Amino acid sequence: DVKVTQSSRYLVKRTGEKVFLECVQDMDHENMFWYRQDPGLGLRLIYFSYDVKMKEKGDIPEGYSVSREKKERFSLILESASTNQTSMYLCASTPGGSYYGYTFGSGTRLTVV
Amino acid sequence: EDQVTQSPEALRLQEGESSSLNCSYTVSGLRGLFWYRQDPGKGPEFLFTLYSAGEEKEKERLKATLTKKESFLHITAPKPEDSATYLCAVQAGNQFYFGTGTSLTVIP
Repeated sequence: DVKVTQSSRYLVKRTGEKVFLECVQDMDHENMFWYRQDPGLGLRLIYFSYDVKMKEKGDIPEGYSVSREKKERFSLILESASTNQTSMYLCASTPGGSYYGYTFGSGTRLTVV
Repeated sequence: EDQVTQSPEALRLQEGESSSLNCSYTVSGLRGLFWYRQDPGKGPEFLFTLYSAGEEKEKERLKATLTKKESFLHITAPKPEDSATYLCAVQAGNQFYFGTGTSLTVIP
């Protein structure tokens, strides 16, 4: 069963901490994405990557960075966590060519206190 | 502006009461329309992809249809286990646009 695995289901961090969210896919997909999901706002794209060591800003990249050193792993970094980054974070992947829907991970519920 | 709108925001049905969810879109160059199911606290689960107007897909009690401006997710004789949020997404070029979802509750 193919999967996108996010390392944590729930995280609680303090304001100002550096936070790492990890995502691993076992489908050999080229494309990987990070979204955040908030009530009433839907899914908003933070960053995406079409290849190893490649990254592109999405709609709301401020306060975030990413790393993709290996094809299967895409990490989201909150440089200095703030309370307005409390959210559900979703990682997704698709094969190259992008005529396919996303496969999502199970999400990380991050709370910043 | 490219946009995806889902309606209604929330829907309560009695078990067995069929209904439809709507996803309307205003994007140019549609490459695909996707339906997902999302359970509370979990990531969205892929249901269907539709590529062109007139296309239909079915899975158990769900049937998705597509026109040039909207898609419908028809739910026939729903059961309580169909309760979830249903998300619609549209791909235009290399961009994906998500709706905010319809929260479906099926009452036994």
